[in-house]
Amino acid sequence: GDSVTQMEGPVTLSEEAFLTINCTYTATGYPSLFWYVQYPGEGLQLLLKATKADDKGSNKGFEATYRKETTSFHLEKGSVQVSDSAVYFCALETGGSYIPTFGRGTSLIVHP
Amino acid sequence: DGGITQSPKYLFRKEGQNVTLSCEQNLNHDAMYWYRQDPGQGLRLIYYSQIVNDFQKGDIAEGYSVSREKKESFPLTVTSAQKNPTAFYLCASSIGDRTYEQYFGPGTRLTVT
Repeated sequence: GDSVTQMEGPVTLSEEAFLTINCTYTATGYPSLFWYVQYPGEGLQLLLKATKADDKGSNKGFEATYRKETTSFHLEKGSVQVSDSAVYFCALETGGSYIPTFGRGTSLIVHP
Repeated sequence: DGGITQSPKYLFRKEGQNVTLSCEQNLNHDAMYWYRQDPGQGLRLIYYSQIVNDFQKGDIAEGYSVSREKKESFPLTVTSAQKNPTAFYLCASSIGDRTYEQYFGPGTRLTVT
């Protein structure tokens, strides 16, 4: 079946550091790929998405490129802020049943 | 503004009682979902519904029940049969197309003692 693997957290960085959170997937068909962010005590919200190979999703300084050859969708940001502290979820959806597959989430902690 | 509302934000119940969590959306989405989230774990799907008057079990449906009588509403009942009901519950909706994301509510934190 479909699966999403994210790097284990927590990821701890100083403000203005470069961020990478790795995400790889296995899927049948041609999935759409998503990154969601969850701030403490809240629901998830979409951060960015890419629906076909080589697409780059971007939002609020975050970027991720859909790499079909390496089945990856790594999240990056050039300079993190304390306000980016949250849990980040990678997800895919292949259609059919319209049930997305989520990774386990990666906690990011940014120190001043 | 369109969105998903869940109420209440915090809910406390005694063991052995059933409790119903509310989820309402005004996004005109066909598909709705319930997830459970435990500390340090990802999301686990409880139930989902792709259309009114129809729903399917997810990965951890035992001890839960749902109804979908209206497009806007998808309430979840946590029954006394659920062995470990204390958790954070998230409701979500989507258009029902693989290229579109899910929209999540703010969640309900249920504590059963």
